[in-house]
Amino acid sequence: ILNVEQSPQSLHVQEGDSTNFTCSFPSSNFYALHWYRWETAKSPEALFVMTLNGDEKKKGRISATLNTKEGYSYLYIKGSQPEDSATYLCASSNSNSGYALNFGKGTSLLVTP
Amino acid sequence: DAMVIQNPRYQVTQFGKPVTLSCSQTLNHNVMYWYQQKSSQAPKLLFHYYDKDFNNEADTPDNFQSRRPNTSFCFLDIRSPGLGDAAMYLCATSARPRDTQYFGPGTRLTVL
Repeated sequence: ILNVEQSPQSLHVQEGDSTNFTCSFPSSNFYALHWYRWETAKSPEALFVMTLNGDEKKKGRISATLNTKEGYSYLYIKGSQPEDSATYLCASSNSNSGYALNFGKGTSLLVTP
Repeated sequence: DAMVIQNPRYQVTQFGKPVTLSCSQTLNHNVMYWYQQKSSQAPKLLFHYYDKDFNNEADTPDNFQSRRPNTSFCFLDIRSPGLGDAAMYLCATSARPRDTQYFGPGTRLTVL
């Protein structure tokens, strides 16, 4: 994998549903994996940064896992709420590129009541 | 609250007319970044400053320039905007190059 890939591109769920997204990234010279939430008309907000294989992070109903050997991360949202509607971006950095963030295109989540 | 501010939020310019986008930060971070995000695409790094050191990405067009007169401010200058330069421009900061980046809300540029 050369680029950061996110799936699905978009997702529409009902309030209360749990959901998850995938981020695939280059595993060679890996340094860190970031997840951001970007609500319309607001600034992208940092959710998590993970560096170690097997890392798991949690923030309220949102959690993320990291597998650096195979180059993927999952983001989970438990009991989705309308306020979770946003674009979720992941970005990886590696030691070869000066630690610059390489972003995916994002997953757009819509949660309806 | 410490934050990253971008002005204006929306900018309309004419084909070929120079335009400047502004970013300021109250975080006192050493690194400032400019990203371009076109519709349905991933944000793409254009360049960044580490203190006063300017770092240009290899594929950033010459049409794009940047200035950082002090720690707090960074400007993106587009010398001759083309229709293909219409995009969301995001400014971000971090304490060090490998740290979490903090973003402004972006400036959406329209080129007529």
